[in-house]
Amino acid sequence: QKEVEQNSGPLSVPEGAIASLNCTYSDRGSQSFFWYRQYSGKSPELIMSIYSNGDKEDGRFTAQLNKASQYVSLLIRDSQPSDSATYLCAVKLEAAGNKLTFGGGTRVLVKP
Amino acid sequence: DADVTQTPRNRITKTGKRIMLECSQTKGHDRMYWYRQDPGLGLRLIYYSFDVKDINKGEISDGYSVSRQAQAKFSLSLESAIPNQTALYFCATSDWDYTDTQYFGPGTRLTVL
Repeated sequence: QKEVEQNSGPLSVPEGAIASLNCTYSDRGSQSFFWYRQYSGKSPELIMSIYSNGDKEDGRFTAQLNKASQYVSLLIRDSQPSDSATYLCAVKLEAAGNKLTFGGGTRVLVKP
Repeated sequence: DADVTQTPRNRITKTGKRIMLECSQTKGHDRMYWYRQDPGLGLRLIYYSFDVKDINKGEISDGYSVSRQAQAKFSLSLESAIPNQTALYFCATSDWDYTDTQYFGPGTRLTVL
């Protein structure tokens, strides 16, 4: 089992719809969780960070964390073609000395 | 100006050559990291440094070495490049706080022929 797992996609979403991305992690003791967006050939760009159970909203993005079930999700509301990118889930795994471990990413395609 | 810069941005080299990738930052962060990214494999940590006198191996350090010349500079070397080191390389920085959020440089695309 990978330490941080994401569905590679592509996740195809109509423009204006909600994109829902999921990420599971192996270490129950993890405390810090991040979502990065990466356009092809570009560097990862931080979208959201979340540390407590529940929802955290920032504009059209909502991160959801459930530590008991060991998953973190990202919702993108009113998806736009410019949201087409790969979304990387990153977790500071306690078992790895709190180093940041990345999932393989989910590719999102927003179709006009 | 960008907070984290990497040079060169693109490099093509031959097997056996020594290559150095450089990273500089103006964010004032103590912590610096080197990652490589391969298609479908996500980002993997090569080396990291929490301050000038601290260097640590990451998940995939074999074939690489690093130098932390100053708080703002962290270099990655490939002593004898091989084709399977062809990848996208990213430098990242973070501050020592509760979040330890990492910020990435623009990347270096390295091709080893």
